[in-house]
Amino acid sequence: SQKIEQNSEALNIQEGKTATLTCNYTNYSPAYLQWYRQDPGRGPVFLLLIRENEKEKRKERLKVTFDTTLKQSLFHITASQPADSATYLCALDSSNTGKLIFGQGTTLQVKP
Amino acid sequence: KAGVTQTPRYLIKTRGQQVTLSCSPISGHRSVSWYQQTPGQGLQFLFEYFSETQRNKGNFPGRFSGRQFSNSRSEMNVSTLELGDSALYLCASTSSLTYNEQFFGPGTRLTVL
Repeated sequence: SQKIEQNSEALNIQEGKTATLTCNYTNYSPAYLQWYRQDPGRGPVFLLLIRENEKEKRKERLKVTFDTTLKQSLFHITASQPADSATYLCALDSSNTGKLIFGQGTTLQVKP
Repeated sequence: KAGVTQTPRYLIKTRGQQVTLSCSPISGHRSVSWYQQTPGQGLQFLFEYFSETQRNKGNFPGRFSGRQFSNSRSEMNVSTLELGDSALYLCASTSSLTYNEQFFGPGTRLTVL
């Protein structure tokens, strides 16, 4: 069956460290994968999109990798700050039809 | 540019009732998608509309329906509400035909008693 999995356990790190979040998928062949941030009581906010022919994408302190062989995406936040504390969701569109399938999200807590 | 707006923000209904939620996309965006978010199931795709036509549908019962108007505003309707329909309902709009980033609204929190 098709699955998209993120680490359900919260990730707690110290301010200044690099946070790494994982997104694994099975039985999908996505054209691209997206990462969103969601704060409590609010809608998700788009962060980065990476296409199947791209290995890595960067935006300021954020970096995403996409390994279609391992069927995995890694999301990194360098020099993390308490303001980065939120839930991070990965999403993929396997059929390029706009139907996004989301992972359950990983909650990141950055401690000062 | 104003963001995606959803009304109402909060709603309390009882089992068996029906509800209509509204979504106004970002100006110029023609695609509107709806999602249901619950603690147990996460974010699940309901349906997507483009130019007043439903293009994609998720795995939800027929009690969940939607429509889109000529100005791209969208509504979703849930009939015969069940307790399990309690959730945050999110709509998102996107500008391009090639499915890039989606802009989400703040959601409507529906509680079914």
